[in-house]
Amino acid sequence: EPEVTQTPSHQVTQMGQEVILRCVPISNHLYFYWYRQILGQKVEFLVSFYNNEISEKSEIFDDQFSVERPDGSNFTLKIRSTKLEDSAMYFCASSEVQGHTEAFFGQGTRLTVV
Amino acid sequence: KQEVTQIPAALSVPEGENLVLNCSFTDSAIYNLQWFRQDPGKGLTSLLLIQSSQREQTSGRLNASLDKSSGRSTLYIAASQPGDSATYLCAGKGFQKLVFGTGTRLLVSP
Repeated sequence: EPEVTQTPSHQVTQMGQEVILRCVPISNHLYFYWYRQILGQKVEFLVSFYNNEISEKSEIFDDQFSVERPDGSNFTLKIRSTKLEDSAMYFCASSEVQGHTEAFFGQGTRLTVV
Repeated sequence: KQEVTQIPAALSVPEGENLVLNCSFTDSAIYNLQWFRQDPGKGLTSLLLIQSSQREQTSGRLNASLDKSSGRSTLYIAASQPGDSATYLCAGKGFQKLVFGTGTRLLVSP
């Protein structure tokens, strides 16, 4: 069964460093998403991406964040200068189209900023 | 702005009980509603997806219902087992994004 794959599963970084979280969406999907979950809190939407452009982003997704589809299979989230409060589980998701189709989630990357 | 609320926040039951988890949402203009399971420190496992035109979906011991007009969904778990212990999340889907509730933490004791 096709699945969304995220790497690494856990990343520890020092405050101020740049990190790149990687995702391989399901191959025939066209829409890609990043969500995050701070420990003990809700899963929150960060950004959606379609046709090599951001289609929607939340207030959380400020200038320190960026997304990219560098090739035909990968989808990345870059955090430019990490802060302690960026520590969270980051989930990648993909869907065939928008609207009624199901979003499939990866297993997440736990980011710890020290 | 969509707000999703889940009650109860936590639930502890003995093995074998049938139970109901509740989810309410403020904006009825959802495309679908999804229920997820999350084990501690782990990812999201999709359990059931109900399209906006549907009233319910079943998978094994799980049954989810959706009432768009009242902004409610319920997840019914029959004959609960200790392995069902986890946090259950519901999420309403707009055109692009999912809006998640805070979850119900379920503990099923043997």
